Amino acid sequence: DAGITQSPRHKVTETGTPVTLRCHQTENHRYMYWYRQDPGHGLRLIHYSYGVKDTDKGEVSDGYSVSRSKTEDFLLTLESATSSQTSVYFCAISGGLAGNYNEQFFGPGTRLTVL
Amino acid sequence: DQQVKQNSPSLSVQEGRISILNCDYTNSMFDYFLWYKKYPAEGPTFLISISSIKDKNEDGRFTVFLNKSAKHLSLHIVPSQPGDSAVYFCAASNQGGKLIFGQGTELSVKP
Repeated sequence: DAGITQSPRHKVTETGTPVTLRCHQTENHRYMYWYRQDPGHGLRLIHYSYGVKDTDKGEVSDGYSVSRSKTEDFLLTLESATSSQTSVYFCAISGGLAGNYNEQFFGPGTRLTVL
Repeated sequence: DQQVKQNSPSLSVQEGRISILNCDYTNSMFDYFLWYKKYPAEGPTFLISISSIKDKNEDGRFTVFLNKSAKHLSLHIVPSQPGDSAVYFCAASNQGGKLIFGQGTELSVKP
């Protein structure tokens, strides 16, 4: 399995506060992604990165920003958390040396609750 | 606008029988399709994939079928086992590695 960790695994915060979620990989994969999973919606792409300092928006990027200063780390920031951002957040990676960049490997998830 | 749809939220199957999970898509530019399996409190796990140049791909008990004219793919699990009970997501890509996921189907395999 790909070495992907997410921190924190659980977080409860209040509306209006900034929150940063971290994804760390030990696989040296080029691409990294942030998704959110909500009932009835499957997984929806928030932002993705195709290299250090190279990022782009996904389907549901409003209210979120990302940064990737190192190959192994991809940070997701909720600039001012709202209750609609209560969700489970998954990080994924793809594009290893021998890998198909379409085949993404997922981290364990972070459950975020915004009160 | 949901480009990838799994119209069955749940499916119940007897152990040893076949499970068939279905997925429909609308974008004819999708050229790669994947199935993921997800247990509660874990991340999705890649299961099997298929390129648009093929109509079938098999890996052990799992087979994915692609019908491009109908914009439909299906995952067959034979024989089904209780450990297969999970939520299954189909996903599609139109190059660039970005995946569009369906809503998921919860499979329950009963002993």
